[in-house]
Amino acid sequence: EPEVTQTPSHQVTQMGQEVILRCVPISNHLYFYWYRQILGQKVEFLVSFYNNEISEKSEIFDDQFSVERPDGSNFTLKIRSTKLEDSAMYFCASSGGLPEDTQYFGPGTRLTVL
Amino acid sequence: QQQVKQSPQSLIVQKGGISIINCAYENTAFDYFPWYQQFPGKGPALLIAIRPDVSEKKEGRFTISFNKSAKQFSLHIMDSQPGDSATYFCAPRSQYSSASKIIFGSGTRLSIRP
Repeated sequence: EPEVTQTPSHQVTQMGQEVILRCVPISNHLYFYWYRQILGQKVEFLVSFYNNEISEKSEIFDDQFSVERPDGSNFTLKIRSTKLEDSAMYFCASSGGLPEDTQYFGPGTRLTVL
Repeated sequence: QQQVKQSPQSLIVQKGGISIINCAYENTAFDYFPWYQQFPGKGPALLIAIRPDVSEKKEGRFTISFNKSAKQFSLHIMDSQPGDSATYFCAPRSQYSSASKIIFGSGTRLSIRP
């Protein structure tokens, strides 16, 4: 069964450093998302991406964040200058040809900012 | 705006018992009422969903009950098993709005005692 994959599974970085989280969505999907989950809290929407541009972003997704689909398979989330409060689990998700299609989530990348 | 209240925050049920998790919403424009299941270290996954034209949907041991007038829906897990131990999130939304993002409830941590 096709699945969303994410790398790395765990990323440790120093405050102020840049990190790139990588995702490979399901191959025929057209909508891509990033969510985050701070330990013990609910999953929060960050950004949605369609047709090579951001379609919606939350208040959390400030100028420190950016997303990119550099080729036909990868979808990345970049945090330019990490803060302690960026420590969280980051989930990538993808869905098919319509925005209302089921979103499939990857296993997540745990980001720890020291 | 899209306030969603999920209860209880945590739940312990004996194996074989019935687990019941509730979700209350305010937005009458919502037309899609899903429950997501998340195991530790994994991303959320769609478990079961209902549309407002029916009051109940059953899939195996999982049942959604929907009360449109009360703006509530609940998840029932019959014959609960240790493998059902997970965090459950409701995420009601207007599926055909331009916003395809998922807004998750606060989550219910379910533990099934053997």
